[in-house]
Amino acid sequence: KAGVTQTPRYLIKTRGQQVTLSCSPISGHRSVSWYQQTPGQGLQFLFEYFSETQRNKGNFPGRFSGRQFSNSRSEMNVSTLELGDSALYLCASSLLPGINQPQHFGDGTRLSIL
Amino acid sequence: TQLLEQSPQFLSIQEGENLTVYCNSSSVFSSLQWYRQEPGEGPVLLVTVVTGGEVKKLKRLTFQFGDARKDSSLHITAAQTGDTGLYLCAGAREGGSTLGRLYFGRGTQLTVWP
Repeated sequence: KAGVTQTPRYLIKTRGQQVTLSCSPISGHRSVSWYQQTPGQGLQFLFEYFSETQRNKGNFPGRFSGRQFSNSRSEMNVSTLELGDSALYLCASSLLPGINQPQHFGDGTRLSIL
Repeated sequence: TQLLEQSPQFLSIQEGENLTVYCNSSSVFSSLQWYRQEPGEGPVLLVTVVTGGEVKKLKRLTFQFGDARKDSSLHITAAQTGDTGLYLCAGAREGGSTLGRLYFGRGTQLTVWP
């Protein structure tokens, strides 16, 4: 059974650009969450999607956005990139949304801003 | 402000030693999950504890959820080099706008030397 797939694995961008990251959940999983991981802050919740609807959003500026498609695949977009956006972006999927649902993580997209 | 505080941040021990990692909060959680993350990979779920006072064992790993559901610990007996990794605790809170969202600690980086 294929795991959560995130593409691309690595990205290098410059300040002011925008970027789109992709996440394909485990087959049959309908809930997708996104996290930002940095050495200083650890994993910080970005947002959660279920049935193409954003159910929950973390404390990130509006430059961070996302969406989910009918096949449960999800994308997140960051506009007007800043140096501080350099991080590992992780996507996690679960069968359903819910507080006790096991989260299955992808290996992340490493984003570096120059 | 980090909702979950993990300690210690770094742990370096010899093979065969025992260790305990702590995850503390002033908030109550409906469940607590422990993950292990290796370099270049996403976190992998080890266990979920949901009942106050619950103890779960996974081979040499023992996980405990505090009676008040505000803290948890991970104890490893006779550590092996393969236990090396970043250990993360994550809590889920009940209801409201935080439904489905996980709050992560900053992690404990464990290094086990041969």
